[in-house]
Amino acid sequence: GAVVSQHPSWVICKSGTSVKIECRSLDFQATTMFWYRQFPKQSLMLMATSNEGSKATYEQGVEKDKFLINHASLTLSTLTVTSAHPEDSSFYICSARDPRSGTTTDTQYFGPGTRLTVL
Amino acid sequence: GQSLEQPSEVTAVEGAIVQINCTYQTSGFYGLSWYQQHDGGAPTFLSYNGLDGLEETGRFSSFLSRSKGYSYLLLKELQMKDSASYFCAVRGPSNTGKLIFGQGTTLQVKP
Repeated sequence: GAVVSQHPSWVICKSGTSVKIECRSLDFQATTMFWYRQFPKQSLMLMATSNEGSKATYEQGVEKDKFLINHASLTLSTLTVTSAHPEDSSFYICSARDPRSGTTTDTQYFGPGTRLTVL
Repeated sequence: GQSLEQPSEVTAVEGAIVQINCTYQTSGFYGLSWYQQHDGGAPTFLSYNGLDGLEETGRFSSFLSRSKGYSYLLLKELQMKDSASYFCAVRGPSNTGKLIFGQGTTLQVKP
C-alpha cells in the first residue's frame, strides 16, 4: 500500500524555538495533505489542509502564523511550529489520500507521527 | 458542522465478537471511514462506507445507515492485538477529502 513518512519521529526543543516537521508521500503524488494534532488519550484534531502550490487552509481556531505549512512539491509538505511553547507539546500526524484509490474507497494514509516536547 | 459520537471504552474477551457504534451529524455526507490506532502509533485504515449497507474485510465489518446517521464496526474472533483505539471519521464538507474524527473508542481485549 501507499506509504507516508514523517521526520523527525520525535523532537525535544526549548520554549521559544521553532521546529520543522516533514511529511512525504513515498510512492504517490499528493496534491493535498492534511495535518492533525493529537493530545494524549484524545482524538485527532485536523489543523489544516496543505495544498500543493497554494496556501494552506486552516481550521477554525488554528493560528496560521504559528503553524506554518508549506507544500512545495507533490510529495512533500512541511509544518513549522514557530516560537513553540510547552502547550504545543503534542503528537503531530500528517496524512495524504492516494489518488489511485478510486471512488469506492477513501483510504487516507497516515504518517507515523512526530512527538513534539517543548521544555 | 460535523459531530460524531462513540462510546469511550469497550471491553471484550478474546475470541468474541464486539461492535463499536458511531452516530454522526453532518452537513452533507461524503463517506465514513474507520481507523485503528495503537498507543503511540499512527491511525491505520480499516474500512470505508460510502453507501448504506455492510462492508466486510476479513475479521472486520462496517455497517452504515445514512438515514439514521449511524455506523458500526464489527470485529470478529477478537485477538489480543486488537486492543487499540478505534475512530470513526467522516469526510469534511465540500468533498475536500479532509477527515473529521470521532473521539475514539478504546477497546480492551481480555484473555
